Amino acid sequence: DGGITQSPKYLFRKEGQNVTLSCEQNLNHDAMYWYRQDPGQGLRLIYYSQIVNDFQKGDIAEGYSVSREKKESFPLTVTSAQKNPTAFYLCASSMRGLGSGELFFGEGSRLTVL
Amino acid sequence: QKEVEQNSGPLSVPEGAIASLNCTYSDRGSQSFFWYRQYSGKSPELIMSIYSNGDKEDGRFTAQLNKASQYVSLLIRDSQPSDSATYLCAVGNDYKLSFGAGTTVTVRA
Repeated sequence: DGGITQSPKYLFRKEGQNVTLSCEQNLNHDAMYWYRQDPGQGLRLIYYSQIVNDFQKGDIAEGYSVSREKKESFPLTVTSAQKNPTAFYLCASSMRGLGSGELFFGEGSRLTVL
Repeated sequence: QKEVEQNSGPLSVPEGAIASLNCTYSDRGSQSFFWYRQYSGKSPELIMSIYSNGDKEDGRFTAQLNKASQYVSLLIRDSQPSDSATYLCAVGNDYKLSFGAGTTVTVRA
């Protein structure tokens, strides 16, 4: 079955630590995205990538970094510079580009800073 | 002004009734419109997409788009307890997809 796999599902981090969230897709989609969701708020775009070895900042990229070395993989690193990292992180992919394509989401990773 | 606004809810409807969800957007150049359903603690899943003015029906769901009024809605007919979820409206153009904060629907038996 095609889909998007995110890991870990739950992650606890101490202040000052970097953590990396994994996202792998086997849908053969070119575009991949990272969103952050906070309670009562819509999804906010962190980073997106429309092609291998290229990615763009979204609305809230500060304190985050990504890489896109393979079509299937788009990991997100939450750095110590992110002031309030506790949130639900969602990875998504689409066949067409941002805004015009329908998004398929992974199951999400819930990050809690202790 | 927020780019995408949804009625705040929560919306409580009796089983079998019609649930009506509304969404307005600010960018007149928007071209694509989506409704996602998100169960508590889960990720969103796409339930409807609409690209041109008018109605689009899929089973018990109907999406309505009025670009002149910058308004998109979702009707859920014959609401079932399994429809209890948060519904996210998303609006896109060539370079951006913006999400509303969502409307939580509770279907009571």
